Amino acid sequence: AQKITQTQPGMFVQEKEAVTLDCTYDTSDQSYGLFWYKQPSSGEMIFLIYQGSYDEQNATEGRYSLNFQKARKSANLVISASQLGDSAMYFCAMRERRNTGFQKLVFGTGTRLLVSP
Amino acid sequence: GAVVSQHPSRVICKSGTSVKIECRSLDFQATTMFWYRQFPKQSLMLMATSNEGSKATYEQGVEKDKFLINHASLTLSTLTVTSAHPEDSSFYICSARDSWAVGNTEAFFGQGTRLTVV
Repeated sequence: AQKITQTQPGMFVQEKEAVTLDCTYDTSDQSYGLFWYKQPSSGEMIFLIYQGSYDEQNATEGRYSLNFQKARKSANLVISASQLGDSAMYFCAMRERRNTGFQKLVFGTGTRLLVSP
Repeated sequence: GAVVSQHPSRVICKSGTSVKIECRSLDFQATTMFWYRQFPKQSLMLMATSNEGSKATYEQGVEKDKFLINHASLTLSTLTVTSAHPEDSSFYICSARDSWAVGNTEAFFGQGTRLTVV
């Protein structure tokens, strides 16, 4: 079974600094997808970035980039130039392959990021 | 980006009553939607996969008769918590994927519903 591990329950960063949120995964599949979502206190899940297992380049979306190290099975999220609005829970997730239908997402336990002025 | 609307955002109900939560894809068709449950300070756990025009697929340990799922159209799935009890109090959130999307299999989430059973 696939598993996502986020070892940082909480992280602090100062405004305008960069921060890295760790995510490691375990899977026996050759084809898989990795996602990062942001969950503010309102509860909604906001998609940030996606990395496919066969993508040769690290994914980037604005201030978000994914440091994908396939051999180490890690998919860390890097947020550059942190903003106060970045304070939220961040979840790493993996697409679990199934025989039929859309594959479900398996989530990590999350990291709470707090950005200070 | 694609929008998924979930309603209501908050609901308080009495123990023993039923509560219906709606999940709508506003600008795309979704043959498959997903229902998650999230306890405070915990991660999201998949409850069931909702398939348009067919029965939902429930995850192990989820009571089918307690959490009724109906996916009557390509844009609407509903979750009904029947005979709710205080232990059903939780944050429920749905997600959907554009049926015609290729490549990036991004799933879009609704705003979530915070259910409190008193």
